[in-house]
Amino acid sequence: AQSVAQPEDQVNVAEGNPLTVKCTYSVSGNPYLFWYVQYPNRGLQFLLKYITGDNLVKGSYGFEAEFNKSQTSFHLKKPSALVSDSALYFCAVRDPLGSNYQLIWGAGTKLIIKP
Amino acid sequence: DTEVTQTPKHLVMGMTNKKSLKCEQHMGHRAMYWYKQKAKKPPELMFVYSYEKLSINESVPSRFSPECPNSSLLNLHLHALQPEDSALYLCASSQGQSGQPQHFGDGTRLSIL
Repeated sequence: AQSVAQPEDQVNVAEGNPLTVKCTYSVSGNPYLFWYVQYPNRGLQFLLKYITGDNLVKGSYGFEAEFNKSQTSFHLKKPSALVSDSALYFCAVRDPLGSNYQLIWGAGTKLIIKP
Repeated sequence: DTEVTQTPKHLVMGMTNKKSLKCEQHMGHRAMYWYKQKAKKPPELMFVYSYEKLSINESVPSRFSPECPNSSLLNLHLHALQPEDSALYLCASSQGQSGQPQHFGDGTRLSIL
C-alpha cells in the first residue's frame, strides 16, 4: 500500500539550532514529494517539492529537503531554527501511478522552537 | 497573503440549515479542490474539479454538494449537516499537471450545533 510516514508527532528544537523533520514514503515508481507548513488558524502553505534532479531541494523561508532514494526518505531541514518556524509540518507524496490530483499525506509533525 | 480566498472564515449552523462556502482563485489554475481537516490531522480530500468538471468525489455524503460556476470559483453547498462535520474546510487550487503544488486558502472553520 502507498503510504507516507512522519515518525515524530512533535520535534522540539532550541532557537538557532539546526532542525530536521523526518518523512519516509512507500510508493511504487518515482515519487513526487512535497512539504507543507500550517501555522495556527491558517491554511497549508507549500514549502518545497522534489520531482527529479538534484537530491537537495531548496524552498521557502530557508528550508531545504534531501531526497534519499535508497532510504525512501525526504527529510526537511533548516540550518538555524527561528521561533516563528513553530508550526505543523506535513509531508505528502503523489503516487506516480495515480491521479495528478491525489496526494498521500503524512500524519504531520508539530515543530516547537524554544527561545 | 494567500492567493486562494475563502469565505466566510467562520460559520456556525444548525443541523437543519442550508449554507454555502465559497472559494476564489485568480492564478489561472485549472484544478480546484475541497478538503476537510480535523484538528492536528492531515487534510482529507473531498472533491476535485478539473477544467470546471467534477473529476473526483471521494465518496462524500450527499449533504455536501460542490459546484464550480467558472474556472475561478468553487462553492460547497451544505445541508442537514451532522455534528461530526464540524471541521476546517480548505479550498486549494493547482495548475493540474503532474508535480505542480496545490495552493491552499485559509479555510472556513465550520461548527455544527
